[in-house]
Amino acid sequence: RKEVEQDPGPFNVPEGATVAFNCTYSNSASQSFFWYRQDCRKEPKLLMSVYSSGNEDGRFTAQLNRASQYISLLIRDSKLSDSATYLCVVNLMNTGFQKLVFGTGTRLLVSP
Amino acid sequence: EAQVTQNPRYLITVTGKKLTVTCSQNMNHEYMSWYRQDPGLGLRQIYYSMNVEVTDKGDVPEGYKVSRKEKRNFPLILESPSPNQTSLYFCASSPGGRAGSEQFFGPGTRLTVL
Repeated sequence: RKEVEQDPGPFNVPEGATVAFNCTYSNSASQSFFWYRQDCRKEPKLLMSVYSSGNEDGRFTAQLNRASQYISLLIRDSKLSDSATYLCVVNLMNTGFQKLVFGTGTRLLVSP
Repeated sequence: EAQVTQNPRYLITVTGKKLTVTCSQNMNHEYMSWYRQDPGLGLRQIYYSMNVEVTDKGDVPEGYKVSRKEKRNFPLILESPSPNQTSLYFCASSPGGRAGSEQFFGPGTRLTVL
């Protein structure tokens, strides 16, 4: 079983739609969680951290369910510029230093 | 401007010809790491470094070497490249090993080994 699993998509949605991605992780010792965004052939960039209580940043909402070991990302009012691949990332503490484990990503295509 | 730089950005080479991909960061970060990204496999860690002269293997270290003689630089060395090392490579840095710190990625190096 992969350490971090995501639906690869693609998710094809019209502008203005709400879309949700889920991600599951296998290691219950995971310490922290993130969503990164990656545009085609470019470097990943941090979108947002995911906190136990859930957190929101504008149109983006992230949720964490430690009991079920899954993370979600909700995007409201999708924009064309949201088209990208969204990477679920889990931080494992390894001998006191971090190790980031990346999911393979979920591709989002927002159309006019 | 705070950034991670990599060179070269694109490289086509032949099997067995040693090459080095440079990585440099200007943010005084302790932690640096190399990843490779392949379709369907996501980003996989090759090597990482917690500080100068401190390096360790990631998940896929075979065929690669690294060094960390200065805090800002973390080169990736392929002593004898093979076609299965054709990939997109990213260098990243972060301010420390504490959980929750963001990693900053370089722009990537697309390597093709013929």
